[in-house]
Amino acid sequence: EAGVTQFPSHSVIEKGQTVTLRCDPISGHDNLYWYRRVMGKEIKFLLHFVKESKQDESGMPNNRFLAERTGGTYSTLKVQPAELEDSGVYFCASSHWDRMVTGELFFGEGSRLTVL
Amino acid sequence: QKEVEQNSGPLSVPEGAIASLNCTYSDRGSQSFFWYRQYSGKSPELIMSIYSNGDKEDGRFTAQLNKASQYVSLLIRDSQPSDSATYLCAVNSNNLFFGTGTRLTVIP
Repeated sequence: EAGVTQFPSHSVIEKGQTVTLRCDPISGHDNLYWYRRVMGKEIKFLLHFVKESKQDESGMPNNRFLAERTGGTYSTLKVQPAELEDSGVYFCASSHWDRMVTGELFFGEGSRLTVL
Repeated sequence: QKEVEQNSGPLSVPEGAIASLNCTYSDRGSQSFFWYRQYSGKSPELIMSIYSNGDKEDGRFTAQLNKASQYVSLLIRDSQPSDSATYLCAVNSNNLFFGTGTRLTVIP
């Protein structure tokens, strides 16, 4: 069974540019989560999809961040325009519906974003 | 106040020793607690979950939970160099909150 895959693994962009991160969850997982880890800080929740619907987007820092999950399969997270403080590692995770509260999330290896 | 607090380490133990990793949390209503292991550059991986007070053992790993003290720990017995990683404490409090992680190094 393929795990959660994320692309790109590392992106270096200049302030003001746009970056789109992609996440392919484990097949059949309805729940998809985005998390972010800024250097030296904890992994923080950004948002949660159930299929194609946004269940909780309370962690999204501002309107420069846009997440989509068209068709309930893969998801994209776009940052436009990127700022220096957006640098960090963006993790995607997925889980079965009935494991949403168990903490059993399957994480991807993350997309490292560096904004210069 | 952070939801989940961990000592960032690094924590170094000799091979064969017991590694003790600690975590405190702020939401007294939290019901489920997890330990994730993350090797450098890799994805976090769930290794232990605990839901009730006391100890839960799985192989060389023991998770301990004390809800009254809002404290959860992870013991690794007979530590191996392959256990060297960052260990993340996570607490489910209407969402999954992570600590900053403790970096463990097991010295051969």
